[in-house]
Amino acid sequence: DAGITQSPRHKVTETGTPVTLRCHQTENHRYMYWYRQDPGHGLRLIHYSYGVKDTDKGEVSDGYSVSRSKTEDFLLTLESATSSQTSVYFCATSTVQGRSYGYTFGSGTRLTVV
Amino acid sequence: GQNIDQPTEMTATEGAIVQINCTYQTSGFNGLFWYQQHAGEAPTFLSYNVLDGLEEKGRFSSFLSRSKGYSYLLLKELQMKDSASYLCAFHYGGSQGNLIFGKGTKLSVKP
Repeated sequence: DAGITQSPRHKVTETGTPVTLRCHQTENHRYMYWYRQDPGHGLRLIHYSYGVKDTDKGEVSDGYSVSRSKTEDFLLTLESATSSQTSVYFCATSTVQGRSYGYTFGSGTRLTVV
Repeated sequence: GQNIDQPTEMTATEGAIVQINCTYQTSGFNGLFWYQQHAGEAPTFLSYNVLDGLEEKGRFSSFLSRSKGYSYLLLKELQMKDSASYLCAFHYGGSQGNLIFGKGTKLSVKP
């Protein structure tokens, strides 16, 4: 969706290097999420944010850190990339409107660690 | 504990009907999502069921039974473009909460 932009779309990096992925949203949603998707595992939550400077760990947070200095931007950093972090990374945002709950994904970043 | 399960793969014929099942176990259940994901693309929203029963949206319907921890996605009049992975996810926790995803069901539609 045009409301969530991930960059870069593709990246190849070397083992041991730091990598930062960016998620930018224009929806003004309070909650933002980072997932990774791997064959046989489905989507797994890495970290999420419930507001500016408010973040928490998900299921697979080891080796990852996040930052949210503005409502619209949520950054995911791989401190020292490893081959096991080769994956497709999706950002998502969510909003609650009455009984309706919306959860939307960005287009994804395909990261290869060599 | 929390878990969610759906079949890994299914095959169906163009024009037919297919039902993809999803079972889950959790506390603090808010609702059940279904997403469609074509290869190499992002998941796109299909449905969100909060109450028991069947909800219909065109060719796609979704059913929920909270007491049984069970949901299904029903696809009618299958088209080749329906070949994709279908992800179920339960929404738990507070008003915002989080999602736990199944591993996805890869549906292949054959002529």
